[in-house]
Amino acid sequence: AQSVAQPEDQVNVAEGNPLTVKCTYSVSGNPYLFWYVQYPNRGLQFLLKYITGDNLVKGSYGFEAEFNKSQTSFHLKKPSALVSDSALYFCAVRPFSGGYNKLIFGAGTRLAVHP
Amino acid sequence: EAQVTQNPRYLITVTGKKLTVTCSQNMNHEYMSWYRQDPGLGLRQIYYSMNVEVTDKGDVPEGYKVSRKEKRNFPLILESPSPNQTSLYFCASSLIAGGPQETQYFGPGTRLLVL
Repeated sequence: AQSVAQPEDQVNVAEGNPLTVKCTYSVSGNPYLFWYVQYPNRGLQFLLKYITGDNLVKGSYGFEAEFNKSQTSFHLKKPSALVSDSALYFCAVRPFSGGYNKLIFGAGTRLAVHP
Repeated sequence: EAQVTQNPRYLITVTGKKLTVTCSQNMNHEYMSWYRQDPGLGLRQIYYSMNVEVTDKGDVPEGYKVSRKEKRNFPLILESPSPNQTSLYFCASSLIAGGPQETQYFGPGTRLLVL
């Protein structure tokens, strides 16, 4: 079955430190990969996506993600965390089979950045 | 401003009382979709639409209906809501012309409580 795993329910980071939010996927073929962020009482906001090409993708708010095909991972990273980065982060995969443009989401990882 | 809007944002209802959640986008997107978000499960697709009068089931369509009479609107209908439909609902839209790599844009969400 096609799936996306975010192994950590919560990640705690001190402000100024680097952060990583992990994502692994299990889908056939070469999927498209996305990261979205959800701030309290807000909808999902698009951060970045990997389609093809360079394995390191840069996105909004200083975030980047590294695609690793052999490990089927797409971890989200930021060199220096801000308190305002505290939010719920979702990894999503667009597989090649199934409904058009269907996204399969992970369960989400809550990022808490402490001053 | 390009956006996806949903109404209402919050709704409390009782079992069996029909309700409709509206979704509208002003980006001339062909593709629209409904998701529900539940703790620990991420977002799951309910229904999607490729264009006017073209709709199809997602992963969790039971108990829901949709319609697409106009390109900009994609209402979600619960004919006889039940407590297990208590959830946070998101509408999303995207272009089709660019293929499945197109980014989906999400509305602010509708929090539904069925008593």
